[in-house]
Amino acid sequence: GDSVTQMEGPVTLSEEACLTINCTYTATGYPSLFWYVQYPGEGLQLLLKATKADDKGSNKGFEATYRKETTSFHLEKGSVQVSDSAVYFCAYSNFGNEKLTFGTGTRLTIIP
Amino acid sequence: DAGITQSPRHKVTETGTPVTLRCHQTENHRYMYWYRQDPGHGLRLIHYSYGVKDTDKGEVSDGYSVSRSKTEDFLLTLESATSSQTSVYFCAISEAGPIADTQYFGPGTRLTVL
Repeated sequence: GDSVTQMEGPVTLSEEACLTINCTYTATGYPSLFWYVQYPGEGLQLLLKATKADDKGSNKGFEATYRKETTSFHLEKGSVQVSDSAVYFCAYSNFGNEKLTFGTGTRLTIIP
Repeated sequence: DAGITQSPRHKVTETGTPVTLRCHQTENHRYMYWYRQDPGHGLRLIHYSYGVKDTDKGEVSDGYSVSRSKTEDFLLTLESATSSQTSVYFCAISEAGPIADTQYFGPGTRLTVL
């Protein structure tokens, strides 16, 4: 069935390091893809999204490109900050579907 | 911040007791969702609603029921709680489906079933 698989964590990086969190999907049709972020003690919030192939979503210095040829939507940031420490979830939804399906989450810790 | 509240925020209960969690919104959004969050599983959808009295099952609906008698309230009931239902429960709302609109999440309810 349809699913997303994301890089297992936890991931620990030093401040100003480059970040990539991998996400791949298997889905019929043409899914839309999302990254959500959960800061400590909070609910999830949308970080960015892309609704068709080759679209790039971006927000707060994070980027992800919807690549149909590799069925991927990897999250990247060039220089991470301590405030980026959180759990990151990849998710998808198919057209006409009223639901989001989430990956298992990747915990990111940035050390000063 | 989207106006979503969940109550209670923390609850400890015993196996076999009924439990009701409440999600309240002030945004007048059409869609409301209940998820559970567990280590190694991410978020999994329990039930969702696409209007008053209109609900549907998610991927982990066994042991749960929901009701939505008003636009602003979405209740999740565990008829007879089990230890496997120990989890953090999140409510979310959106005006449209997830492609057309963002889902906004509440702060969560931590439920422990002893």
